[in-house]
Amino acid sequence: AQTVTQSQPEMSVQEAETVTLSCTYDTSESDYYLFWYKQPPSRQMILVIRQEAYKQQNATENRFSVNFQKAAKSFSLKISDSQLGDAAMYFCAYSYYMEYGNKLVFGAGTILRVKS
Amino acid sequence: NAGVTQTPKFQVLKTGQSMTLQCAQDMNHNSMYWYRQDPGMGLRLIYYSASEGTTDKGEVPNGYNVSRLNKREFSLRLESAAPSQTSVYFCASRSGQLGTGELFFGEGSRLTVL
Repeated sequence: AQTVTQSQPEMSVQEAETVTLSCTYDTSESDYYLFWYKQPPSRQMILVIRQEAYKQQNATENRFSVNFQKAAKSFSLKISDSQLGDAAMYFCAYSYYMEYGNKLVFGAGTILRVKS
Repeated sequence: NAGVTQTPKFQVLKTGQSMTLQCAQDMNHNSMYWYRQDPGMGLRLIYYSASEGTTDKGEVPNGYNVSRLNKREFSLRLESAAPSQTSVYFCASRSGQLGTGELFFGEGSRLTVL
């Protein structure tokens, strides 16, 4: 079964500095998709960034970028120039295709605290 | 511009009571999902529906039933609530095929079973 592991329950970063959140996954599939979602205290789930496994180039969205290592099954999220509004729970997720639809499998999450 | 709407947002039940969580999306998505979120465990899939008329079990389906009423609506029913079902429940819908689409989430429903 596909699993997603986030080994850091909590992380802290100073405002304006850079932080990296780790994620590893287990799969036997060759085509799949990886996501990072952010959940602020409002509880709303917000897509941060998405990576297609067939693309070698790492995805980037403004201050957010990923380091995708397919052979190592690793998908880390780097947040540059951290802001107070980045404080949230971050979830890594993996998606694959099943016969009757597709599902996202989530990691346990990492709480990110941003210090001013 | 509603997206995914869940009701109710909060509910307190006694053990053994039943209730239904309602979910509706207005984005014409085929796939819909119910997840539960518990501390330290992330989001776990309860049931999903790849298209109107089909439903399938996820990781933690025991104690739940679902109905895909039409393309817009996907409800989750607890027939006899248990304290272990105290959780935050999220409905989500998804565009795209082959795992490409972004999941759009509702705001969540906090359920407490006493």
